[in-house]
Amino acid sequence: AQSVTQLDSQVPVFEEAPVELRCNYSSSVSVYLFWYVQYPNQGLQLLLKYLSGSTLVKGINGFEAEFNKSQTSFHLRKPSVHISDTAEYFCAVSPLSGGYQKVTFGTGTKLQVIP
Amino acid sequence: DAGVTQSPTHLIKTRGQQVTLRCSPKSGHDTVSWYQQALGQGPQFIFQYYEEEERQRGNFPDRFSGHQFPNYSSELNVNALLLGDSALYLCASSLDRARSYGYTFGSGTRLTVV
Repeated sequence: AQSVTQLDSQVPVFEEAPVELRCNYSSSVSVYLFWYVQYPNQGLQLLLKYLSGSTLVKGINGFEAEFNKSQTSFHLRKPSVHISDTAEYFCAVSPLSGGYQKVTFGTGTKLQVIP
Repeated sequence: DAGVTQSPTHLIKTRGQQVTLRCSPKSGHDTVSWYQQALGQGPQFIFQYYEEEERQRGNFPDRFSGHQFPNYSSELNVNALLLGDSALYLCASSLDRARSYGYTFGSGTRLTVV
């Protein structure tokens, strides 16, 4: 089984400042890692994913995330946020193989960008 | 290429009633998963359908049931609605043999039980 912990429920940050949203996971098997974004009253949109290889992955809208296997973390970062980044962000994992494909989500982090 | 389509977008039901939500997966996808997202919470896995069968289920009562049709579209049925069933219901489609692609989500159905 897998679980995902997002350590911050809300993160306020001023416009053009950097931001980091934290994610830790637990799994007995190797996993794929994802970050999704949800704008108000919408579904989830894939921001980026880590499959293998380079531990730094880049996604859409200028976001990037770094996979740290020893710390079982997959933190999301953006060097300069915009008002339009205000949304809720979900970290998620899915088993690499074996069993069934199932994505497990964290509880989400609300990013509030302050003008 | 249409993504995942869910209908209806909003729904208001009375306690004790039954509801059916519908989902058309992204073209080429063969697996449909349903999630419940209560206000302020992350999506919680309800169940997943593949080859017209439910192949795994989350911690939801039998009041929640589903179906997958030969064209891969899916329905989620909830019987004997409770106030606590009020939530955003998300459908996600994927390709079973391509796990690395992750899910494609629909915009959801907002269910309000009064």
